Amino acid sequence: KAGVTQTPRYLIKTRGQQVTLSCSPISGHRSVSWYQQTPGQGLQFLFEYFSETQRNKGNFPGRFSGRQFSNSRSEMNVSTLELGDSALYLCASSLGSGSSSYEQYFGPGTRLTVT
Amino acid sequence: EDKVVQSPLSLVVHEGDTVTLNCSYEVTNFRSLLWYKQEKKAPTFLFMLTSSGIEKKSGRLSSILDKKELFSILNITATQTGDSAVYLCAVLQRPASNNDMRFGAGTRLTVKP
Repeated sequence: KAGVTQTPRYLIKTRGQQVTLSCSPISGHRSVSWYQQTPGQGLQFLFEYFSETQRNKGNFPGRFSGRQFSNSRSEMNVSTLELGDSALYLCASSLGSGSSSYEQYFGPGTRLTVT
Repeated sequence: EDKVVQSPLSLVVHEGDTVTLNCSYEVTNFRSLLWYKQEKKAPTFLFMLTSSGIEKKSGRLSSILDKKELFSILNITATQTGDSAVYLCAVLQRPASNNDMRFGAGTRLTVKP
């Protein structure tokens, strides 16, 4: 089974621009969660999508948004980029329901640098 | 405020040593605790613990949860240089539809030859 894939792997943007990151979950997984990882804050939860609906949301400003498509692929968008948005963005997929739903498997991440 | 605290923050050992990593938590509606290993990019799943006192093992790694004292430990025996990584613990909360994992800061383990 193919793992979680994320594109692009690296991205450099300037302040004020917007960016869209993509995540394809493991086949059969319906839940996709997004995390931001920075040296100062560690891994922080952004939001989770399940069956095309945002099911949970972390404590991030409205500039961070996402969506999920019918094939469970998810995109995350950040508008009006700030220097502090430079981070590794990880997505994780899981079944989303049932007894094994707790196990989340991470993609390789997208390294975003904002200059 | 919910928190997950890992200790130590970093650890340097030599091959063959045994290490114990700690994770304590204070969260409402605890559901499960998970351990991940992060080398260069994506964290890889190690264990999920839901019940107290039941040890989970995978090769040289083992982990156990104490829900009364609110902590978990991750043991690695006969360490190898390939065990060098950041080990993350994360907590899941109820309800079951909540997949928001709260992570600790991680323990950076360095295993020297």
